Amino acid sequence: RKEVEQDPGPFNVPEGATVAFNCTYSNSASQSFFWYRQDCRKEPKLLMSVYSSGNEDGRFTAQLNRASQYISLLIRDSKLSDSATYLCVVRPGGFKTIFGAGTRLFVKA
Amino acid sequence: NAGVTQTPKFRILKIGQSMTLQCTQDMNHNYMYWYRQDPGMGLKLIYYSVGAGITDKGEVPNGYNVSRSTTEDFPLRLELAAPSQTSVYFCASATGGARQETQYFGPGTRLLVL
Repeated sequence: RKEVEQDPGPFNVPEGATVAFNCTYSNSASQSFFWYRQDCRKEPKLLMSVYSSGNEDGRFTAQLNRASQYISLLIRDSKLSDSATYLCVVRPGGFKTIFGAGTRLFVKA
Repeated sequence: NAGVTQTPKFRILKIGQSMTLQCTQDMNHNYMYWYRQDPGMGLKLIYYSVGAGITDKGEVPNGYNVSRSTTEDFPLRLELAAPSQTSVYFCASATGGARQETQYFGPGTRLLVL
């Protein structure tokens, strides 16, 4: 089993749609969780951290379920500019950082 | 404030050649990292450093070496290039110490080994 697993997609959605991505992780002792965004042929950039209580940043909502060992990202009112690959990132502890392979999102006009 | 810069942007190497990928950050970050990203795969940690003079292996260190003589610079050395090292290499930095710290990435170096 991979340490961090994501549905690779692609997810093809129309503008204005709501889309959700899930990510599962294998190490139950993992301490920190993030969503990064990576545009085509660009570097990853932090989208948001994921906190135990769940957190929201504008149209983006992230949630953590420690019991089931998954995190989720919900994007409401999708924009064309949301088209990108979304990377689930887990830090089990120390300096180790595990990146998922990413979920590709295409938002169509 | 340039953030994290990497050179070169793209390089073609022949098998057995050597090269150094440069990484510099101007944010006075203590922690620096080197990752590689193969097509359709997640980033894998090659080496990391928690400060000048301190480096350690990550998940996939074989075939690479690093040094950290200053806070700003963290070069990655490939001694004998192999086709398996064809990848995109990202350098990243972070302040260090915080559980939810952000890693800031450079624009990457695309390496092709033929």
